[in-house]
Amino acid sequence: QSVLTQPPSASGTPGQRVTISCSGSSSNIGSNDVYWYQQLPGTAPKLLIYRNNQWPSGVPDRFSGSKSGTSASLAISGLRSEDEADYYCAAWDESLSGPLFGGGTKLTVL
Amino acid sequence: EVQLVESGGGLVQPGGSLRLSCAASGFTFSSYAMSWVRQAPGKGLEWVSTIRASGISSYYADSVKGRFTIFGDNSKHTVYLQMKSLRAEDTAVYYCAKTVVVGQRYYFDDWGQGTLVTVSS
Repeated sequence: QSVLTQPPSASGTPGQRVTISCSGSSSNIGSNDVYWYQQLPGTAPKLLIYRNNQWPSGVPDRFSGSKSGTSASLAISGLRSEDEADYYCAAWDESLSGPLFGGGTKLTVL
Repeated sequence: EVQLVESGGGLVQPGGSLRLSCAASGFTFSSYAMSWVRQAPGKGLEWVSTIRASGISSYYADSVKGRFTIFGDNSKHTVYLQMKSLRAEDTAVYYCAKTVVVGQRYYFDDWGQGTLVTVSS
């Protein structure tokens, strides 16, 4: 079964560092790049990290991505209130022959 | 600045049809693949369909294969999603996304604001 598993929620206080995990399998993360998208409340998703650890123009380096084996993670350092959003990981899935998204993690800034 | 503006969403009865449009600007439309990604109310993201820049190749999620058709018009810088035999489970916000192809894989680097499709009697 093609699934990317993320924790449904995460939280942190301003200035803290938080990490969001994304667990997959050999058919997706294990053999393909990982992407992260940020969706602020009531808005469209936005590309946050591409090709595991690359920043699109305009994305601050407080956000960083990493991948190891069949898992990936997104780290946010110096947490700010405006980081409160839903975060989705994504990777190509060989079984689906298409992009697969994780279920999303709702980040709350306390 | 890349702009993607979707339109065409609305309320449709089960079994009905709808055509979504996405007008693009701010980039060379004919050089990019384009995709549709949907989000059911309160749910996560689901890839729906992608059309390559050539317009020749298109790809679909199993959940919509045979019911949805993606096509583009380079002269209008617009990509469409023709949806038929709609079901309640197709209810979602449909996002248009500019798509970057890496080898035979792709990802989405710019998104429109979305258009809501509601399938209900």
